Amino acid sequence: QSALTQPASVSGSPGQSITISCTGTSSDVGGYNYVSWYQQHPGKAPKLMIYDVSNRPSGVSNRFSGSKSGNTASLTISGLQAEDEADYYCSSYTSTTILDVFGTGTKVTVL
Amino acid sequence: QVQLQESGPGLVKPSETLSLTCTVSGGSITGYFWSWIRQPPGKGLEWIGFIFDSGSTNYSPSLKSRLTISLDTSKNQFSLKLTSVTAADTAVYYCARRLNWGSYWYLDLWGRGTLVTVSS
Repeated sequence: QSALTQPASVSGSPGQSITISCTGTSSDVGGYNYVSWYQQHPGKAPKLMIYDVSNRPSGVSNRFSGSKSGNTASLTISGLQAEDEADYYCSSYTSTTILDVFGTGTKVTVL
Repeated sequence: QVQLQESGPGLVKPSETLSLTCTVSGGSITGYFWSWIRQPPGKGLEWIGFIFDSGSTNYSPSLKSRLTISLDTSKNQFSLKLTSVTAADTAVYYCARRLNWGSYWYLDLWGRGTLVTVSS
């Protein structure tokens, strides 16, 4: 099972909005609403930010939002802040293997 | 507050067995899926596998022939054993809880991770 495709890097200035894409196939992202997003600061464990495509766990800022269109899921960070600088990984259920599949990861830089 | 902590050797020789334990504190180990994920230095996340409290397991197809994940409910621990390791198994190993959020199961709680280096 190949990893989901994410851009290697995305950057934005404080206050701006950025969007990270996560492209899969009809066997994973496109076929099921079981997409999640994880934030990972350097040297830290990943943190669940979005589940079921667009839901936020309690405690996650509403500046983070998720969506999906076809085989591509997206994570949007609005009102970008310095603390948002981190790596972001998408993940999806896939019908082709037993385990979920992660994305390739995107490094977000706040300029 | 539930916390996870990985423990085990940080250095393993090639061809030997990598063994790690994850201790669950502050809560019960029953009723959840307990998972292992790894991250090679500078690379992305990779699923290793998970175990349910019943003892049923799901393993990565690429690791299945070398992998055992087990559970010790009396100690509130679960473990990973990976045999015949090579340098490609060098990674930060994370244990994590897989919990049902909404419609599916997601990794909502992670350990801090432990770096395991395979080298002679």
